[in-house]
Amino acid sequence: EDQVTQSPEALRLQEGESSSLNCSYTVSGLRGLFWYRQDPGKGPEFLFTLYSAGEEKEKERLKATLTKKESFLHITAPKPEDSATYLCAVQAGRNTDKLIFGTGTRLQVFP
Amino acid sequence: DSGVTQTPKHLITATGQRVTLRCSPRSGDLSVYWYQQSLDQGLQFLIQYYNGEERAKGNILERFSAQQFPDLHSELNLSSLELGDSALYFCASSVVGGVTGELFFGEGSRLTVL
Repeated sequence: EDQVTQSPEALRLQEGESSSLNCSYTVSGLRGLFWYRQDPGKGPEFLFTLYSAGEEKEKERLKATLTKKESFLHITAPKPEDSATYLCAVQAGRNTDKLIFGTGTRLQVFP
Repeated sequence: DSGVTQTPKHLITATGQRVTLRCSPRSGDLSVYWYQQSLDQGLQFLIQYYNGEERAKGNILERFSAQQFPDLHSELNLSSLELGDSALYFCASSVVGGVTGELFFGEGSRLTVL
């Protein structure tokens, strides 16, 4: 069964303290790995898509990387406004478009 | 603002009742997805429609049903409600069949079953 596991469940950082979030996956026929950001009481917001091992994407203080078994979301010099839950999702298989989400990492950045 | 509209935002009802959640996708998007988000299980895929036809099905209970209408809006019907159905229900849309994985989510409908 396709599975996505994120760690840690929660992360508290001081403003400016860089760190990484992990997403490990077990799927058959990965077609893409996606990162979303979710603020409290809001729907998830798309950040990145990664399609193959070795690929990297960047957006402001965020950088996503992909290997054959996991993905990392690196946060460089975070600010309080980066506080949110970060969700990882995979799209796998040939006959479905659905995304399978992990349970997320809740990030809190303190000034 | 993602452009996806969900109504109602909040709904409180009793066990055994039936509710309907409504979703209007972004203009031009043909695919609609429904997800359930509870505290302990994260986002669970329920069902996808593409241009009016069911495209993919996840762990959707038999008590739940959905449809997509000719104007592309979608409704999720939840019946014989149980306490465990309390959750946030999200609708998302995408241009094509979700090939890129970029789904645009609404703000959700929070269902509380008492």
